[in-house]
Amino acid sequence: QKEVEQNSGPLSVPEGAIASLNCTYSDRGSQSFFWYRQYSGKSPELIMSIYSNGDKEDGRFTAQLNKASQYVSLLIRDSQPSDSATYLCAVYPSGNTGKLIFGQGTTLQVKP
Amino acid sequence: DVKVTQSSRYLVKRTGEKVFLECVQDMDHENMFWYRQDPGLGLRLIYFSYDVKMKEKGDIPEGYSVSREKKERFSLILESASTNQTSMYLCASSSPPLLAGDTQYFGPGTRLTVL
Repeated sequence: QKEVEQNSGPLSVPEGAIASLNCTYSDRGSQSFFWYRQYSGKSPELIMSIYSNGDKEDGRFTAQLNKASQYVSLLIRDSQPSDSATYLCAVYPSGNTGKLIFGQGTTLQVKP
Repeated sequence: DVKVTQSSRYLVKRTGEKVFLECVQDMDHENMFWYRQDPGLGLRLIYFSYDVKMKEKGDIPEGYSVSREKKERFSLILESASTNQTSMYLCASSSPPLLAGDTQYFGPGTRLTVL
C-alpha cells in the first residue's frame, strides 16, 4: 500500500512566525509532489508543486523535497491568520496510474 | 483557469432515494475522480474515470456507481441512499500525469445529507 503520512496537528503558530508542515511518503519511485490548502467547508486548492530535490519558493511559501529521505515539507513565512487551514500533501506514485495519493492533512492555526 | 463545477453545493435526501451528483470540467481533461471526505478520514477515492465510458473502482466503491458518457461530465450515483453516505463529495479532474506531473483540480464540493 502506497502511503503518504502527515501529522494531523493542530499545529499552532503565532502570527508572523514560520509554519513548517511535513509529509513523508512510502513509494520511493514517486515523481511529483503537491501541497493543497483546504479551508473549512471548502474544497482543496493547489498552492505548490515540486518535482526536483531542493527548494521551490513562491511568495511566502517554500516547498522542500528530499527524495533520498522520502519527505516533502511546506514552509509558510510570516504566517497570517488567513493561513489557518488544513494542508494536504499529495503524491503521484510510480506506475503512472493517474491517481494521487493524499495524506490526511495537517491543520494549521495561526493566532493573532 | 481550470474550472470544475458540481451541480449542487448542498443536497438533502431521504433514505432509499436515488441520488445523482453531477460534475463538469472545462479543461478537456481525460481523468475525472469522485472522492468523499469525512472528518478524521481524509479524502477517500470512490471512483476514477480515465476516458469516456471507462471507469475504475477506488477505495470505497460500495453503494456507488458512476457514469461518463461525455468527456467533460462525470456523474456519481447513489442507487439507494443511506445515512452513512452523508458526507462531503468532491469531484476532481486532471490530465494524465506526464514527467512533470499535472495535478488534480477540485470542484467546490457537494455536502450531502441523507435523512
